[in-house]
Amino acid sequence: EVQLVESGGGLVQPGGSLRLSCAASGFTFSSYWMTWVRQAPGKGLEWVANIKQDGSEKYYVDSVKGRFTISRDNAKNSLYLQMNSLRAEDTAFYYCARTHYYDNSGFDYWGQGTLVTVSS
Amino acid sequence: SYELTQPPSVSVSPGQAASITCSGYKLGNKYVCWYQQKPGQSPLLVIYQDTKRPSGIPERFSGSNSGNTATLTISGTQAMDEADYYCQAWDSSTVVFGGGTKLTVL
Repeated sequence: EVQLVESGGGLVQPGGSLRLSCAASGFTFSSYWMTWVRQAPGKGLEWVANIKQDGSEKYYVDSVKGRFTISRDNAKNSLYLQMNSLRAEDTAFYYCARTHYYDNSGFDYWGQGTLVTVSS
Repeated sequence: SYELTQPPSVSVSPGQAASITCSGYKLGNKYVCWYQQKPGQSPLLVIYQDTKRPSGIPERFSGSNSGNTATLTISGTQAMDEADYYCQAWDSSTVVFGGGTKLTVL
């Protein structure tokens, strides 16, 4: 059974940092692109970043470029999102999702999400 | 940047067909996916590559995509289909989501 479990969310002050993790199981993690998607409370879905199987390609939404870094450790079946210089507008549930990149088949498995709250 | 536009809300009576549109420039040249999200839950993929249903998704969910508009159709809508629906497409290596449509079954 495919499982994605996010962790690392919490309350952080503006300008602070947080590292999110996504533990994957039930599939060959190293064979898939992976993606972070966020959702502000009561708002829609927003793509944040994605990463190629070997980590050699990474893409970000403009609003997080230079502040967030996506990475992965295939030996640990884990995906990460390092978030620096956090702003109030980064407050959201953050989901990791298994990604079908090459055939544009979308995101077929999602984690349960982890809440990041940026507030003083 | 590429944008996808959805109506904020759609209402349908039980047993009737519901259609949710997603508009974008030459969207028919891209593959579109649709996600269902119920309150307190993670999104669920219901349509991929415009028309295909993942395993376990009921046959009443169907999709189409042509010109500038993709459409998610739910035939014989049930109360359990009440949810938010999001369209999604790829723009080069980045991802675009529509703003979401709240489907009300009343």
